[in-house]
Amino acid sequence: DADVTQTPRNRITKTGKRIMLECSQTKGHDRMYWYRQDPGLGLQLIYYSFDVKDINKGEISDGYSVSRQAQAKFSLSLESAIPNQTALYFCATGQRGGPPGELFFGEGSRLTVL
Amino acid sequence: SQKIEQNSEALNIQEGKTATLTCNYTNYSPAYLQWYRQDPGRGPVFLLLIRENEKEKRKERLKVTFDTTLKQSLFHITASQPADSATYLCALTGSSNTGKLIFGQGTTLQVKP
Repeated sequence: DADVTQTPRNRITKTGKRIMLECSQTKGHDRMYWYRQDPGLGLQLIYYSFDVKDINKGEISDGYSVSRQAQAKFSLSLESAIPNQTALYFCATGQRGGPPGELFFGEGSRLTVL
Repeated sequence: SQKIEQNSEALNIQEGKTATLTCNYTNYSPAYLQWYRQDPGRGPVFLLLIRENEKEKRKERLKVTFDTTLKQSLFHITASQPADSATYLCALTGSSNTGKLIFGQGTTLQVKP
């Protein structure tokens, strides 16, 4: 079983719909991240969390919200999806005190907004 | 603004040769530089980390150099194999170790048998 699991893996939705992408991890890491990847662009950080009560905005947080329900779960929501949010979304985990920049990524959630 | 540039053109090499990928950055003074591998449809996988005070790091067939004066890192795969074919991502992070990475767009490597 994957250490970092994302659901759904693929989703097609329409403009204006609310979408939630979920991430769960079994690595026991305290830090969790949501990144977005677009073709030809580097991964961009949307939100990150260092523990259950900690939520921080990344580079491109507008139009997104997150919830850290438990240490192992971190969900990303699009309240009203728009076509330019079509992208590949990755959840990642990291360990406080671990090697700097060593993140563990899930398999990705491909979102298409029509 | 901070910017990382990797060669957007795919690199095609013959099996057994050394592959060299380049990562250049501007407007940033990273404390750490990471290289990740990404296969199609998969998440990135961490390969190597090099610190700003290190010139070179090796791991098996992989070698990374870090020149903070040139603001450049080179990533070498020696004795390349078809299984090394993937996209390789360069990422930077600062000294605070928050795990907030700035990624390059990646370079795709194709190793032909």
